[in-house]
Amino acid sequence: DAMVIQNPRYQVTQFGKPVTLSCSQTLNHNVMYWYQQKSSQAPKLLFHYYDKDFNNEADTPDNFQSRRPNTSFCFLDIRSPGLGDAAMYLCATSGDRDLNQPQHFGDGTRLSIL
Amino acid sequence: DQQVKQNSPSLSVQEGRISILNCDYTNSMFDYFLWYKKYPAEGPTFLISISSIKDKNEDGRFTVFLNKSAKHLSLHIVPSQPGDSAVYFCAASASNFGNEKLTFGTGTRLTIIP
Repeated sequence: DAMVIQNPRYQVTQFGKPVTLSCSQTLNHNVMYWYQQKSSQAPKLLFHYYDKDFNNEADTPDNFQSRRPNTSFCFLDIRSPGLGDAAMYLCATSGDRDLNQPQHFGDGTRLSIL
Repeated sequence: DQQVKQNSPSLSVQEGRISILNCDYTNSMFDYFLWYKKYPAEGPTFLISISSIKDKNEDGRFTVFLNKSAKHLSLHIVPSQPGDSAVYFCAASASNFGNEKLTFGTGTRLTIIP
C-alpha cells in the first residue's frame, strides 16, 4: 500500500544533542509537511516543501531545520533540542496545493528529551 | 490565539445513536474545512471536507454541516459504531493559501459505548 512512513516511531535524545527524524512516502506527492503536536494540543505546522521549494512558518524556531533530498524523503533536524521540544512530530504529504487533495499523515515520531 | 476551537475534549455516545462533534472558528478567511480521525498510535486520516459554498456534505454515515454566519461546523455520525471511537480533529484553510496551511483544532475524543 502506498503510504507515509516515519522512522523511528520513538526517539529519545539528550538535551542539546542534535537529532534527525525521517519521513518517506510512496505516494509520489509533491508536497511534504512537518507538524509538531504537543500533548492535548492541535498539530502545528512547522514548515513544508512544495517540490524543492521550502516554506518555513514565521514562528518556527531556528532550531528546526528540514531537508528534502528527493521526492520520496524529507528530514526534520533539531539542532539543539530543548525540553520544550518533546512532542509528537507528524509528517504529511499531499499531491498538490489543491484544496481537494487532503493531506496524508504518517504515524508520527514521539520525541523525548532527557 | 486558537483560530479553530473544539471545546469538547471528549464525548461518549451509545452505539447506534448519533454522534455530533462541534467545531468553531474565528478567522473569517477560512473557506475550506476538513475533519480528520485519529486512532491511538496512528496518524490522522482524512474523513470528510466541506467548502464554504456548501452548507452540508454527506459521505455515508458521516455528514458535515457548516454555518458560516455562526462560524461553526459540526460532524454527525449516524449510526455510531464502536470503530468510530477515536480522536476527531477539525481543520480549516483559506483558499488563498491553497492546501498548505491547515489550522487544526485540539481534537475531541469520541468513545462509542457498546
